[in-house]
Amino acid sequence: KNEVEQSPQNLTAQEGEFITINCSYSVGISALHWLQQHPGGGIVSLFMLSSGKKKHGRLIATINIQEKHSSLHITASHPRDSAVYICAREATGNQFYFGTGTSLTVIP
Amino acid sequence: EPEVTQTPSHQVTQMGQEVILRCVPISNHLYFYWYRQILGQKVEFLVSFYNNEISEKSEIFDDQFSVERPDGSNFTLKIRSTKLEDSAMYFCASSGDRRIGVYGYTFGSGTRLTVV
Repeated sequence: KNEVEQSPQNLTAQEGEFITINCSYSVGISALHWLQQHPGGGIVSLFMLSSGKKKHGRLIATINIQEKHSSLHITASHPRDSAVYICAREATGNQFYFGTGTSLTVIP
Repeated sequence: EPEVTQTPSHQVTQMGQEVILRCVPISNHLYFYWYRQILGQKVEFLVSFYNNEISEKSEIFDDQFSVERPDGSNFTLKIRSTKLEDSAMYFCASSGDRRIGVYGYTFGSGTRLTVV
């Protein structure tokens, strides 16, 4: 199975709020990726994780390999963070299997 | 910053016609991929390509699909006889060989294919 599950599917937050998006997967991975997709469709890579935690600006991504679970956090959220955030499992052949995405709207 | 370039950005074609979607991957990347996203659905893996051959393909990638690297820069996806259900955004991606320190997994901006 290639399932990657994300929650929530939709999220609305007030500007400044701390946001968490969760991802779980059912099979082994070579890496776990977080990506961002804007309304125009383009996909941008945010993080690649194989263990632990990574931080880039206001974004933090964590992974627990034993529990097959990852989280993406956004601190001090801003309207420009509004996008679809996607978790993807990288298989041994380097191809991605995508989650369904979390649509985030940050209201001023 | 290096980009993966896809052309055209939008293509409309009649059912039954052949279409070729084109991609120029990042120059020092060795792995190439095609994904598709049907409107309102998740992105799905179609095929990966390495060393001039298909390395993995999904159930979606049936006999009506083919990929080719006709020269040193282009990577193409051909759909032989399009169906209405082929309407989707098609993304090309490329990645480097991490074993030699070339990192990065980059997506193109997509080609929106509409079959009428």
